[in-house]
Amino acid sequence: ETGVTQTPRHLVMGMTNKKSLKCEQHLGHNAMYWYKQSAKKPLELMFVYSLEERVENNSVPSRFSPECPNSSHLFLHLHTLQPEDSALYLCASSPSGGEGTQYFGPGTRLLVL
Amino acid sequence: KNEVEQSPQNLTAQEGEFITINCSYSVGISALHWLQQHPGGGIVSLFMLSSGKKKHGRLIATINIQEKHSSLHITASHPRDSAVYICAAPRGNQFYFGTGTSLTVIP
Repeated sequence: ETGVTQTPRHLVMGMTNKKSLKCEQHLGHNAMYWYKQSAKKPLELMFVYSLEERVENNSVPSRFSPECPNSSHLFLHLHTLQPEDSALYLCASSPSGGEGTQYFGPGTRLLVL
Repeated sequence: KNEVEQSPQNLTAQEGEFITINCSYSVGISALHWLQQHPGGGIVSLFMLSSGKKKHGRLIATINIQEKHSSLHITASHPRDSAVYICAAPRGNQFYFGTGTSLTVIP
C-alpha cells in the first residue's frame, strides 16, 4: 500500500460520456501529478499541482480537465474523449514539487469506445 | 530522439543471473529515478540518486552525472523481479521517462 489510491481501477466509456478519475493521497504530500501511459510509449506527464496550484500543463487537450480541491485530492475530468485516449492513467504524489521521490497510485485503466 | 534512452528494451534471464539495465539521458539533471512497474500497472519508486551508488537488498543503482549515465543492477535475480524497469530524469516540474526495460526472469 503506497498511500496513494485511485478510483475507479477500470473504466470503459463512450466518446460522448463524461467521467472523472479520482486520486487521493494520505501521505501529507504537497504535490500531485497525473500521468498517461499508452502501450509501447514512455510515461507522459500531464499535469502537476503544487500546493493546489497547477504548475505544469504539458499541452494536454482540453478534453482532459484536472481539478485539485485540496492537497489530498486530485481529479481528472474526462469529456468527449477519443479512442486514442485509451491508456493507463497514473496519479502520483511527492512531498514537494520538483525532483523528489514520487509515490504512485495503482492507476486507472481507461478504454474509450 | 527521446531525452532518456534505456537498454535493453527486453531482457530474459535465468534465475540467479546478474542483470544490468542501462539508462542514458541528455537533459541536465541533479538526480535520477529508477521505477519498477509490475504487470497490472502499479509503479514503485526504487531509487532516487544524484551521485555514486545506492543499494537496497539485491538492487544496486549507480549514476555518473558527468557522463549522464545510470545503471540498475539486480544480483541473484528471481522470478519475482520480472517487471518493467523505468528510468526517469526530472528537471524542474518536468519528468522525462525512458520507454522501460521489460525483464523476465525464468525459474
